[in-house]
Amino acid sequence: GAVVSQHPSRVICKSGTSVKIECRSLDFQATTMFWYRQFPKKSLMLMATSNEGSKATYEQGVEKDKFLINHASLTLSTLTVTSAHPEDSSFYICSARERIFYGYTFGSGTRLTVV
Amino acid sequence: AQKITQTQPGMFVQEKEAVTLDCTYDTSDPSYGLFWYKQPSSGEMIFLIYQGSYDQQNATEGRYSLNFQKARKSANLVISASQLGDSAMYFCAMREGLFSGGYNKLIFGAGTRLAVHP
Repeated sequence: GAVVSQHPSRVICKSGTSVKIECRSLDFQATTMFWYRQFPKKSLMLMATSNEGSKATYEQGVEKDKFLINHASLTLSTLTVTSAHPEDSSFYICSARERIFYGYTFGSGTRLTVV
Repeated sequence: AQKITQTQPGMFVQEKEAVTLDCTYDTSDPSYGLFWYKQPSSGEMIFLIYQGSYDQQNATEGRYSLNFQKARKSANLVISASQLGDSAMYFCAMREGLFSGGYNKLIFGAGTRLAVHP
């Protein structure tokens, strides 16, 4: 079945630094990638949708300059948290979709802690 | 705008019994898809079952079945013969524009935490 590899699974960084999270579709072409954020014991909140080769579409209230999303190829999308602050600490998870397949394949998630 | 509602923050069930997790949705799009995911404490999202708005029959996948009542806009998940390993968060999700070929997003409900007791 379709697999999305997400790295790193856990990261701790200092305030003010940037962190990059990668999601790779291993056996299919991900025409669309979705990035979600999840607070403890809460639901997944969609941050942005990225289509290969074009700018990401951000949900209302999500800072574009803080959460940089790049989808340069059909198998790789990255989320960069810039100038991270403790309030950015959260679980980030990506999801990929092929054009013709109705389903969504999720990465295993990244737990970000900003100290 | 699409909306998913899960009104049960937590549910308890005895091992080997059946349990129903509620999900209602709201959309003006006649073509949509409904999904259920399981999220154990590890955080991964495990796909359980899918129901398309035009599907005539309720979806079933092993011990999982979806009680789809289109007129009531509900898509409840039924887990039969609960197992201890079923303890997890369960999310209902919806995608609009099923046949548009577009990149429609998946929107999630608040989730239900299921605890299976021995």
